[in-house]
Amino acid sequence: GENVEQHPSTLSVQEGDSAVIKCTYSDSASNYFPWYKQELGKRPQLIIDIRSNVGEKKDQRIAVTLNKTAKHFSLHITETQPEDSAVYFCAATINNNDMRFGAGTRLTVKP
Amino acid sequence: EPEVTQTPSHQVTQMGQEVILRCVPISNHLYFYWYRQILGQKVEFLVSFYNNEISEKSEIFDDQFSVERPDGSNFTLKIRSTKLEDSAMYFCATSPLAGGTGELFFGEGSRLTVL
Repeated sequence: GENVEQHPSTLSVQEGDSAVIKCTYSDSASNYFPWYKQELGKRPQLIIDIRSNVGEKKDQRIAVTLNKTAKHFSLHITETQPEDSAVYFCAATINNNDMRFGAGTRLTVKP
Repeated sequence: EPEVTQTPSHQVTQMGQEVILRCVPISNHLYFYWYRQILGQKVEFLVSFYNNEISEKSEIFDDQFSVERPDGSNFTLKIRSTKLEDSAMYFCATSPLAGGTGELFFGEGSRLTVL
């Protein structure tokens, strides 16, 4: 089945710095790659996604890049703020029918 | 904004008891999912459901688990005989598109504690 690897497991940055989280996937047929943010005790919520026909997508301070050849994709958060502190999960499709998640990255933004 | 709703928010049960977790999907969504998250760990796929049948299931989803959509609105996850290791947050998620192609909308989760 699909294997989604995510690194790092924890990331601590100073407010205003950038944060980068990386994921790799195994199924070359995967074509949809979302990123979810989960605050403590809350549900995962989509923050950005990318499809396999593009290499990069940006939404204000958040961007995602995709390298289909290497089968990896990354989340970039610029000008981090304390409210960005959360667990971030990448995900990738398998069988065009369901989605598997990475292990998560706990991001802490220190004021 | 429409939301996926789940009940109960928290259930405490004795080992060996049956548990039913309920989910009301967003009304125009066709694809339904159950995920599990053990405290502090990753979100793990259990099962996907489309057109009144299971589409995919993971190795976690063994014979103790079942899903159904009994009345066309609720989507339920049943655990027949709970074990201690079933303690987790169970998230229902729904999507208007096949899960591989569109956003999953998660419910608030049902926290199951097995004693």
